[in-house]
Amino acid sequence: ELKVEQNPLFLSMQEGKNYTIYCNYSTTSDRLYWYRQDPGKSLESLFVLLSNGAVKQEGRLMASLDTKARLSTLHITAAVHDLSATYFCAPRGTASKLTFGTGTRLQVTL
Amino acid sequence: DAGVIQSPRHEVTEMGQEVTLRCKPISGHNSLFWYRQTMMRGLELLIYFNNNVPIDDSGMPEDRFSAKMPNASFSTLKIQPSEPRDSAVYFCASSRDRSNQPQHFGDGTRLSIL
Repeated sequence: ELKVEQNPLFLSMQEGKNYTIYCNYSTTSDRLYWYRQDPGKSLESLFVLLSNGAVKQEGRLMASLDTKARLSTLHITAAVHDLSATYFCAPRGTASKLTFGTGTRLQVTL
Repeated sequence: DAGVIQSPRHEVTEMGQEVTLRCKPISGHNSLFWYRQTMMRGLELLIYFNNNVPIDDSGMPEDRFSAKMPNASFSTLKIQPSEPRDSAVYFCASSRDRSNQPQHFGDGTRLSIL
């Protein structure tokens, strides 16, 4: 059974600072997704990482995947308040099933 | 393009009542997923359909829960009888099989069982 662990669970950071969210998973996975969820809202897809060494960037967010280490990271550069949300990683296991991590609640303060 | 459409958005009902949640996937998507989100358990996959056929229902909590997908454009999740511990946000998501695209989520149904 695929297990997913995200660290940290909660992150409070000041605007302008950098930080990294970590996603570890327990068994082999061929791809990994990152999603964002605002309070009371649905999940929005951010990145799809398809292979070992994949790196994707969108604005102040950059995601990477190391399939050998079973690790993905989401790096935040020069955080702004609009990035405040909960971020989920979801590696794909058997068939098309995704297993979601616990989520990292990011709060960016002024 | 219309996204995944769920109804109702909110449902409040008394314990013991039957609850039916509905989902219309994105046209052309052949995989459909039902998830439940709670503070305690996070986001859990309940059941997954591919080409209208249930593939994995191992996440369905118990016999009170059932799901159907009679055609490619409609799915239901039913709870009968409902219990307070079923209170959660239920999401439906769809994707196109054998593609690299992510699952697209609906806005969810916020269910409260009193």
